[in-house]
Amino acid sequence: ETGVTQSPTHLIKTRGQQVTLRCSSQSGHNTVSWYQQALGQGPQFIFQYYREEENGRGNFPPRFSGLQFPNYSSELNVNALELDDSALYLCASRGGAGGGETQYFGPGTRLLVL
Amino acid sequence: AQSVAQPEDQVNVAEGNPLTVKCTYSVSGNPYLFWYVQYPNRGLQFLLKYITGDNLVKGSYGFEAEFNKSQTSFHLKKPSALVSDSALYFCAVRDDTGRRALTFGSGTRLQVQP
Repeated sequence: ETGVTQSPTHLIKTRGQQVTLRCSSQSGHNTVSWYQQALGQGPQFIFQYYREEENGRGNFPPRFSGLQFPNYSSELNVNALELDDSALYLCASRGGAGGGETQYFGPGTRLLVL
Repeated sequence: AQSVAQPEDQVNVAEGNPLTVKCTYSVSGNPYLFWYVQYPNRGLQFLLKYITGDNLVKGSYGFEAEFNKSQTSFHLKKPSALVSDSALYFCAVRDDTGRRALTFGSGTRLQVQP
Protein backbone atom coordinates (compact mmCIF):
# COMPACT_ATOMS: atom_id res chain seq x y z
CA GLU A 1 0.00 0.00 0.00
CA THR A 2 1.14 3.55 -0.74
CA GLY A 3 0.94 6.35 1.78
CA VAL A 4 -1.61 8.21 -0.34
CA THR A 5 -5.05 8.40 1.23
CA GLN A 6 -8.32 9.67 -0.21
CA SER A 7 -11.69 10.53 1.25
CA PRO A 8 -14.47 9.73 1.01
CA THR A 9 -14.34 6.26 -0.53
CA HIS A 10 -17.77 6.55 -2.12
CA LEU A 11 -20.09 9.44 -2.83
CA ILE A 12 -23.51 9.84 -4.41
CA LYS A 13 -24.60 13.23 -5.75
CA THR A 14 -27.32 14.53 -8.02
CA ARG A 15 -26.85 16.42 -11.25
CA GLY A 16 -26.07 20.10 -10.71
CA GLN A 17 -24.60 19.66 -7.24
CA GLN A 18 -21.02 20.38 -6.22
CA VAL A 19 -18.53 17.91 -4.72
CA THR A 20 -15.18 18.10 -2.93
CA LEU A 21 -12.78 15.17 -2.84
CA ARG A 22 -9.72 15.06 -0.62
CA CYS A 23 -6.25 13.57 -0.88
CA SER A 24 -3.29 13.29 1.48
CA SER A 25 -0.01 12.78 -0.32
CA GLN A 26 2.69 10.33 0.62
CA SER A 27 5.15 11.73 3.15
CA GLY A 28 7.83 13.83 1.45
CA HIS A 29 5.93 14.15 -1.84
CA ASN A 30 5.28 17.73 -2.98
CA THR A 31 3.41 17.11 -6.24
CA VAL A 32 -0.17 15.88 -6.41
CA SER A 33 -2.05 14.90 -9.56
CA TRP A 34 -5.70 14.01 -10.04
CA TYR A 35 -7.04 11.54 -12.58
CA GLN A 36 -10.54 10.52 -13.64
CA GLN A 37 -11.14 6.87 -14.49
CA ALA A 38 -14.47 6.21 -16.17
CA LEU A 39 -15.80 2.68 -16.15
CA GLY A 40 -13.85 0.42 -18.50
CA GLN A 41 -11.26 3.05 -19.35
CA GLY A 42 -7.78 4.07 -18.35
CA PRO A 43 -7.26 7.04 -16.04
CA GLN A 44 -7.24 10.49 -17.62
CA PHE A 45 -5.18 13.38 -16.27
CA ILE A 46 -7.22 16.23 -14.79
CA PHE A 47 -4.57 18.53 -13.28
CA GLN A 48 -1.46 18.70 -11.17
CA TYR A 49 -0.40 20.83 -8.20
CA TYR A 50 3.13 21.65 -7.12
CA ARG A 51 3.81 23.83 -4.09
CA GLU A 52 0.19 25.02 -3.97
CA GLU A 53 0.09 26.12 -7.63
CA GLU A 54 -1.63 24.37 -10.54
CA ASN A 55 1.15 23.64 -13.01
CA GLY A 56 -0.50 21.40 -15.55
CA ARG A 57 -4.01 20.63 -16.74
CA GLY A 58 -5.61 18.03 -18.94
CA ASN A 59 -8.62 18.39 -21.19
CA PHE A 60 -11.17 19.11 -18.46
CA PRO A 61 -13.48 22.14 -18.18
CA PRO A 62 -13.02 24.91 -15.59
CA ARG A 63 -15.75 23.48 -13.38
CA PHE A 64 -13.05 21.04 -12.31
CA SER A 65 -10.83 22.96 -9.91
CA GLY A 66 -8.43 22.18 -7.13
CA LEU A 67 -6.32 23.31 -4.24
CA GLN A 68 -3.10 22.23 -2.64
CA PHE A 69 -2.31 23.08 0.96
CA PRO A 70 1.04 23.82 2.65
CA ASN A 71 1.22 20.22 3.89
CA TYR A 72 0.85 19.12 0.21
CA SER A 73 -2.59 17.61 0.71
CA SER A 74 -5.05 18.46 -2.03
CA GLU A 75 -8.72 18.88 -2.90
CA LEU A 76 -10.55 18.34 -6.15
CA ASN A 77 -13.76 20.35 -6.58
CA VAL A 78 -16.31 19.69 -9.26
CA ASN A 79 -19.16 22.16 -9.79
CA ALA A 80 -22.41 21.68 -11.67
CA LEU A 81 -22.10 17.91 -11.70
CA GLU A 82 -23.10 16.05 -14.84
CA LEU A 83 -24.03 12.40 -15.25
CA ASP A 84 -20.77 11.79 -17.16
CA ASP A 85 -18.78 12.86 -14.10
CA SER A 86 -19.59 9.48 -12.57
CA ALA A 87 -16.18 7.83 -12.27
CA LEU A 88 -13.37 6.74 -9.97
CA TYR A 89 -11.26 9.75 -9.05
CA LEU A 90 -7.65 8.93 -8.32
CA CYS A 91 -5.09 11.06 -6.58
CA ALA A 92 -1.38 10.44 -7.09
CA SER A 93 1.66 11.95 -5.44
CA ARG A 94 5.33 12.05 -6.37
CA GLY A 95 8.39 14.09 -5.57
CA GLY A 96 10.71 14.18 -2.64
CA ALA A 97 14.49 14.23 -2.87
CA GLY A 98 15.54 14.09 -6.51
CA GLY A 99 12.04 14.84 -7.76
CA GLY A 100 10.94 11.23 -8.24
CA GLU A 101 9.28 10.24 -11.49
CA THR A 102 7.04 7.54 -10.07
CA GLN A 103 3.48 8.51 -9.22
CA TYR A 104 1.94 6.63 -6.30
CA PHE A 105 -1.82 6.36 -6.33
CA GLY A 106 -4.40 6.38 -3.60
CA PRO A 107 -7.35 3.98 -3.47
CA GLY A 108 -9.67 6.45 -5.18
CA THR A 109 -13.07 7.98 -4.57
CA ARG A 110 -15.96 6.50 -6.50
CA LEU A 111 -18.45 9.22 -7.45
CA LEU A 112 -21.92 8.42 -8.71
CA VAL A 113 -23.98 11.26 -10.17
CA LEU A 114 -27.71 10.60 -10.45
CA ALA B 1 1.13 14.38 -28.21
CA GLN B 2 1.98 11.15 -26.51
CA SER B 3 -0.14 7.99 -26.67
CA VAL B 4 -0.22 4.39 -25.48
CA ALA B 5 -1.87 1.39 -27.09
CA GLN B 6 -2.72 -1.86 -25.37
CA PRO B 7 -3.99 -4.02 -28.23
CA GLU B 8 -5.52 -6.80 -26.12
CA ASP B 9 -8.57 -6.22 -23.98
CA GLN B 10 -8.00 -9.54 -22.24
CA VAL B 11 -5.20 -12.07 -21.93
CA ASN B 12 -5.87 -15.60 -20.68
CA VAL B 13 -3.08 -17.80 -19.41
CA ALA B 14 -2.84 -20.98 -17.36
CA GLU B 15 -1.22 -20.87 -13.95
CA GLY B 16 2.48 -21.65 -14.19
CA ASN B 17 2.75 -20.55 -17.81
CA PRO B 18 4.61 -17.42 -18.90
CA LEU B 19 2.54 -14.33 -19.56
CA THR B 20 2.97 -11.28 -21.76
CA VAL B 21 0.83 -8.14 -21.77
CA LYS B 22 1.55 -5.92 -24.76
CA CYS B 23 2.05 -2.16 -24.90
CA THR B 24 3.21 0.18 -27.64
CA TYR B 25 3.78 3.88 -27.23
CA SER B 26 4.28 7.11 -29.10
CA VAL B 27 6.14 10.05 -27.59
CA SER B 28 8.53 12.73 -28.72
CA GLY B 29 11.83 12.69 -26.94
CA ASN B 30 13.01 10.02 -24.54
CA PRO B 31 10.23 7.75 -23.28
CA TYR B 32 9.44 7.38 -19.60
CA LEU B 33 7.30 4.24 -19.37
CA PHE B 34 5.36 2.67 -16.52
CA TRP B 35 3.24 -0.37 -15.70
CA TYR B 36 0.52 -0.30 -13.06
CA VAL B 37 -1.87 -2.98 -11.83
CA GLN B 38 -5.41 -2.44 -10.56
CA TYR B 39 -7.33 -4.94 -8.46
CA PRO B 40 -11.14 -4.67 -8.16
CA ASN B 41 -12.29 -1.56 -6.30
CA ARG B 42 -8.71 -0.48 -5.70
CA GLY B 43 -6.40 2.24 -6.92
CA LEU B 44 -3.38 1.68 -9.13
CA GLN B 45 -0.32 -0.10 -7.81
CA PHE B 46 3.06 0.68 -9.35
CA LEU B 47 4.85 -2.34 -10.83
CA LEU B 48 7.88 -1.00 -12.68
CA LYS B 49 9.26 1.78 -14.85
CA TYR B 50 11.75 2.40 -17.62
CA ILE B 51 13.58 5.71 -17.74
CA THR B 52 17.02 4.83 -19.00
CA GLY B 53 19.51 1.99 -18.84
CA ASP B 54 18.96 -1.71 -19.39
CA ASN B 55 16.18 -2.65 -21.75
CA LEU B 56 14.96 -5.36 -19.35
CA VAL B 57 13.42 -3.80 -16.27
CA LYS B 58 12.59 -5.84 -13.19
CA GLY B 59 9.74 -4.85 -10.92
CA SER B 60 7.47 -5.98 -8.13
CA TYR B 61 5.90 -9.45 -7.69
CA GLY B 62 8.23 -11.09 -10.22
CA PHE B 63 7.14 -8.93 -13.15
CA GLU B 64 9.55 -7.55 -15.70
CA ALA B 65 9.21 -5.51 -18.87
CA GLU B 66 11.23 -5.31 -22.05
CA PHE B 67 11.81 -1.92 -23.64
CA ASN B 68 12.28 -2.02 -27.41
CA LYS B 69 13.02 1.37 -28.92
CA SER B 70 12.87 0.30 -32.56
CA GLN B 71 9.44 -1.27 -32.10
CA THR B 72 8.30 1.42 -29.61
CA SER B 73 7.11 -1.33 -27.31
CA PHE B 74 7.21 -1.97 -23.57
CA HIS B 75 5.70 -5.41 -23.02
CA LEU B 76 5.07 -6.70 -19.49
CA LYS B 77 6.19 -10.26 -18.77
CA LYS B 78 6.29 -12.83 -16.03
CA PRO B 79 7.94 -16.25 -16.32
CA SER B 80 5.29 -18.12 -14.31
CA ALA B 81 1.78 -16.76 -13.80
CA LEU B 82 -0.15 -17.03 -10.54
CA VAL B 83 -3.92 -17.01 -10.12
CA SER B 84 -3.42 -13.99 -7.86
CA ASP B 85 -1.96 -12.07 -10.83
CA SER B 86 -5.48 -11.84 -12.28
CA ALA B 87 -6.19 -8.10 -12.46
CA LEU B 88 -6.33 -5.10 -14.80
CA TYR B 89 -2.97 -3.90 -16.12
CA PHE B 90 -2.24 -0.42 -17.41
CA CYS B 91 0.72 0.81 -19.40
CA ALA B 92 1.50 4.53 -19.20
CA VAL B 93 3.88 7.02 -20.75
CA ARG B 94 4.98 10.27 -19.21
CA ASP B 95 3.76 13.45 -20.81
CA ASP B 96 6.26 14.95 -23.26
CA THR B 97 5.19 18.54 -22.57
CA GLY B 98 6.85 19.04 -19.21
CA ARG B 99 3.74 18.53 -17.09
CA ARG B 100 5.08 15.06 -16.32
CA ALA B 101 1.54 13.72 -16.20
CA LEU B 102 0.84 10.16 -17.28
CA THR B 103 -1.07 9.09 -20.36
CA PHE B 104 -2.56 5.64 -19.85
CA GLY B 105 -3.59 2.89 -22.21
CA SER B 106 -7.07 1.43 -22.08
CA GLY B 107 -5.96 -1.49 -19.93
CA THR B 108 -5.64 -5.24 -20.39
CA ARG B 109 -7.48 -7.69 -18.18
CA LEU B 110 -5.28 -10.64 -17.25
CA GLN B 111 -7.09 -13.83 -16.34
CA VAL B 112 -4.96 -16.64 -14.93
CA GLN B 113 -6.75 -19.97 -14.84
CA PRO B 114 -5.88 -22.58 -12.18
